[in-house]
Amino acid sequence: DAKTTQPPSMDCAEGRAANLPCNHSTISGNEYVYWYRQIHSQGPQYIIHGLKNNETNEMASLIITEDRKSSTLILPHATLRDTAVYYCIVSYFGGATNKLIFGTGTLLAVQP
Amino acid sequence: ETGVTQTPRHLVMGMTNKKSLKCEQHLGHNAMYWYKQSAKKPLELMFVYNFKEQTENNSVPSRFSPECPNSSHLFLHLHTLQPEDSALYLCASSQVGTGGEKLFFGSGTQLSVL
Repeated sequence: DAKTTQPPSMDCAEGRAANLPCNHSTISGNEYVYWYRQIHSQGPQYIIHGLKNNETNEMASLIITEDRKSSTLILPHATLRDTAVYYCIVSYFGGATNKLIFGTGTLLAVQP
Repeated sequence: ETGVTQTPRHLVMGMTNKKSLKCEQHLGHNAMYWYKQSAKKPLELMFVYNFKEQTENNSVPSRFSPECPNSSHLFLHLHTLQPEDSALYLCASSQVGTGGEKLFFGSGTQLSVL
């Protein structure tokens, strides 16, 4: 079972920041927070990941609370092409066990 | 382009057919994965291979048979499938390392079983 909770859907106006929340209250100390997105009928696309510090890359920013029980993915200037299902996943990768368990995610609809 | 190529993109097969899905990664990774995504359902992990060795079989029926001849290629052999096996089959790869690995997915094979 997925260990995260996300709202099923969100709307965002084009050009505005999209803030997608995720709760992961049972996260353990060595688990990372990953964000992926899936545009309709395509494979999921990696966005960003972090352990406990905030992270930023060319696609998005990831804000993780100090207690690590929740996080927020920020798309600073949403475009219509950002309409997708966004998945927040917590997982540890290492050794022989490597797997991401996807939940139902948040459907982000960017409106013109 | 993610560096993970899946063929074919679409496949229609009868329940008595035998077919294979192919995945190739050009990223130098050492782990490969098969996921299944049925309509309006979350992705389900099917198989994981690390260094060509299967490390995960998520209770997948034997009518699905994976094969990983080397770290760049992954196959999913299909036989006597059921209509409920119709789904998007996704391949992914990653580099096993220190704990922060990213998965790179292919575009998937949309399978329809008649």
